[in-house]
Amino acid sequence: GESVGLHLPTLSVQEGDNSIINCAYSNSASDYFIWYKQESGKGPQFIIDIRSNMDKRQGQRVTVLLNKTVKHLSLQIAATQPGDSAVYFCAALTLGSARQLTFGSGTQLTVLP
Amino acid sequence: NAGVMQNPRHLVRRRGQEARLRCSPMKGHSHVYWYRQLPEEGLKFMVYLQKENIIDESGMPKERFSAEFPKEGPSILRIQQVVRGDSAAYFCASSPGHGNEKLFFGSGTQLSVL
Repeated sequence: GESVGLHLPTLSVQEGDNSIINCAYSNSASDYFIWYKQESGKGPQFIIDIRSNMDKRQGQRVTVLLNKTVKHLSLQIAATQPGDSAVYFCAALTLGSARQLTFGSGTQLTVLP
Repeated sequence: NAGVMQNPRHLVRRRGQEARLRCSPMKGHSHVYWYRQLPEEGLKFMVYLQKENIIDESGMPKERFSAEFPKEGPSILRIQQVVRGDSAAYFCASSPGHGNEKLFFGSGTQLSVL
């Protein structure tokens, strides 16, 4: 089955610095990946997604990189702000199958003033 | 309906009681998913439903748990004879389906079993 993990359970960065959150997945058949942000007491909020036919995708202040060779993806947040403090989850899915999004355990990002 | 609506936000039950969690998907979404989250853990898939059909319930415990998504009304996750181990946050998500698997989540129901 699929398992998705994150390299670090916590990450602290200075306000204004860039943040990089890493994620590894196990199933080479996974072909769709999503990053979610979850603030305390709230549901996960979609940040950005990427399909396996891409290796990079950019959004507003966020970039997701996908390395299928080593089954690794990362979320980069530029100019991290206090409002970015949250838990970040990566999730993987195999499109076209009955399997659903598999979530990692999350990385707690803390932005220091 | 700006997003996925879940109620109640908090639910307290005593052991042996029943818990009913409700989820109304985003407008236009016909696919509903339920996930469970324990403290400081990721979300664990429970069940995937479309209107009047259970598509995948591989993440549901075999006993005491059931889910439905009727033709009219919200999706219901039902837990019978709750035990302390059922205490968790339960999140519902919806998607348009038809190849678009981007899930949008509700704010969750925090179930506490005393």
